[in-house]
Amino acid sequence: SQKIEQNSEALNIQEGKTATLTCNYTNYSPAYLQWYRQDPGRGPVFLLLIRENEKEKRKERLKVTFDTTLKQSLFHITASQPADSATYLCALGGGATNKLIFGTGTLLAVQP
Amino acid sequence: SQTIHQWPATLVQPVGSPLSLECTVEGTSNPNLYWYRQAAGRGLQLLFYSVGIGQISSEVPQNLSASRPQDRQFILSSKKLLLSDSGFYLCAWSAWGGSSGNTIYFGEGSWLTVV
Repeated sequence: SQKIEQNSEALNIQEGKTATLTCNYTNYSPAYLQWYRQDPGRGPVFLLLIRENEKEKRKERLKVTFDTTLKQSLFHITASQPADSATYLCALGGGATNKLIFGTGTLLAVQP
Repeated sequence: SQTIHQWPATLVQPVGSPLSLECTVEGTSNPNLYWYRQAAGRGLQLLFYSVGIGQISSEVPQNLSASRPQDRQFILSSKKLLLSDSGFYLCAWSAWGGSSGNTIYFGEGSWLTVV
């Protein structure tokens, strides 16, 4: 069955450093991959989408890479800030229904 | 602009009681609609999705059902709740025809505690 793995342990980093989160998947060939941010008690909010034919996508301090050979995506936040502290979810999708399969998320804590 | 409303935000229900969560989307037509559940410490699990009125697909066998009586209305129901139905329920929508990867927009969620 399809499986998505994200670091289950919280990632603690110092303010100003680059945070790198990992998303690995198996038994799936997604047409695209998305990253979402989720704050406690809130619904996820879309951050970035990268398609299978793209290697890298950037948006402000965010960068996503997508390696379909390794079946892995890396999510980077440069110059991290305490306000970046949240759970980050990766999601894989494809098809007309746009069904997304989500990973369990990684909790990022940025220390001031 | 598009908005999504979901209610109630919080509810505590006894085992065996019925459930109805409602979701409406404004500012768009013919959206794909979704119900997800997030158990404590776990990822989002897709429960149902709909590509049109009356068209419901279930992703997992369960004690729940969904209906789409209108284009922008999506309802999650249960006739008899189980303890295992507790969780954070999220309604979401995306633009129709998402083969290229449309963003999914989530509501604020409904916290359900079955006691």
